[in-house]
Parts: sequence; C-alpha cells; structure tokens
Amino acid sequence: QVQLQESGPGRVKPSETLSLTCSVSGASMSSGFYWTWIRQRPGEGLEWIGNINYRGSTFQNASLKSRLSISIDMSKSQFSLKLTSLTAADTAVYYCARGNTILDPWGQGTLVTVSS
Amino acid sequence: DIQMTQSPSSLSASVGDRVTISCRASQDISDYLNWYQQKPGKAPILLISAVSNLQSGVPSRFSGSGSGTDFTLTINSLQPEEFATYYCQQSYSTPYSFGQGTKLEIK
Repeated sequence: QVQLQESGPGRVKPSETLSLTCSVSGASMSSGFYWTWIRQRPGEGLEWIGNINYRGSTFQNASLKSRLSISIDMSKSQFSLKLTSLTAADTAVYYCARGNTILDPWGQGTLVTVSS
Repeated sequence: DIQMTQSPSSLSASVGDRVTISCRASQDISDYLNWYQQKPGKAPILLISAVSNLQSGVPSRFSGSGSGTDFTLTINSLQPEEFATYYCQQSYSTPYSFGQGTKLEIK
C-alpha cells in the first residue's frame, strides 16, 4: 500500500524559502508515476503546484514557476519542493500525491504558515 | 489556463437524498475529469477518474457523467459519511486545475 508523508518547517518568515519533502513508502518511485504537489490555502480550494517523474521531468504551475523548484531523490524515496520569496499568500496546507493526471493517494498534508 | 466552475458552492441535503453536483470547464476537456472527496482536516481522496470510472472501494451510489465542458457527480441515497466537500479536477492540460469545491451539508 502506497503511503506518502510530507515534512517541513511549519512556519517560515516572509521573503524566505520553503523546503518541503514528501517521503514515499510501499512503492518504487521508478514505477513510471509522476509525483505531485498541491496546496490549499486556509478555507479555500485546491491549487495544483507541479510534479516530477523519476527521470526528473517536471511540469510546474506557471503562476509559481519563477519561485518553484521540484526535485526527486530516488535513493531516499523522496521528492521535494522549494518555494522562494514567500509571502502570506503562500500560507497553506501543502499536500503531496502520487500521479500526474490522476492523484491517488495523497499524503496527510502539512500546514505551512508564512509569518514573521 | 482552464477554469473549472462547480455549482452549487454549497448544498444542504438529508440522509437518503439523491444529490447532483455540476462542474463546468472553460474549454473542452474531453473526458479528462476527476472527482475528489475531502472531509474536514483530511486530505482529498479520489472518487472517480475519467468522468465515470469509480475507484476501488467507492460505493456504487456514486456516479459521474458528462463530456466536453459539462460534468456531473451524482450521489444516490446519501449516507452520513458522505457529507464532505467535493472537488472536480481537469487533467486535460497543465496546470491541472480544480473547481472551487461543493460543500455538502446535512439539512
């Protein structure tokens, strides 16, 4: 059974960089799937951030592209997100999920608060 | 980018009711439409992919239909555990955008 678990700092200051990691268990990351990041601002809907496959090919939301970096570490069964120049608008629950066009399963999510 | 619009934004219903949630895409997305269910404080779970393909373990009370730009999620005989927020998602082109959600509440 595939399981995903996000980890990250919880709170980050404005203008700083957010680094999140998603750890994958129960499946090989080289299985051909893409691995995706999604976020949900408090009380709002879901925003697709971007994804990566085992070859390191990425698709990214253009609205974030200048600030966004997604990477993968097959040896650790992890993929990561880095988002620079944070503002309060980046406060959200960040989810990771398996899949490209169809997202299943999802991690439980991690709340990131951007605040000084 | 493709915009996804759900209606209604919220819906009150009773256990046993049949409910319908609509999702409209800003352009033709063929059958690249998925539905997710999210309960408070939890991650979304995939219910239906490609308009009408029910995921394993999802009750047959759930069904999806539509094509092109207009899609529908139907829940027959609503059960207490199905009061949640439902999101549609287009997987036709990146960014794979979601609708704003439909919150299904107990009447």
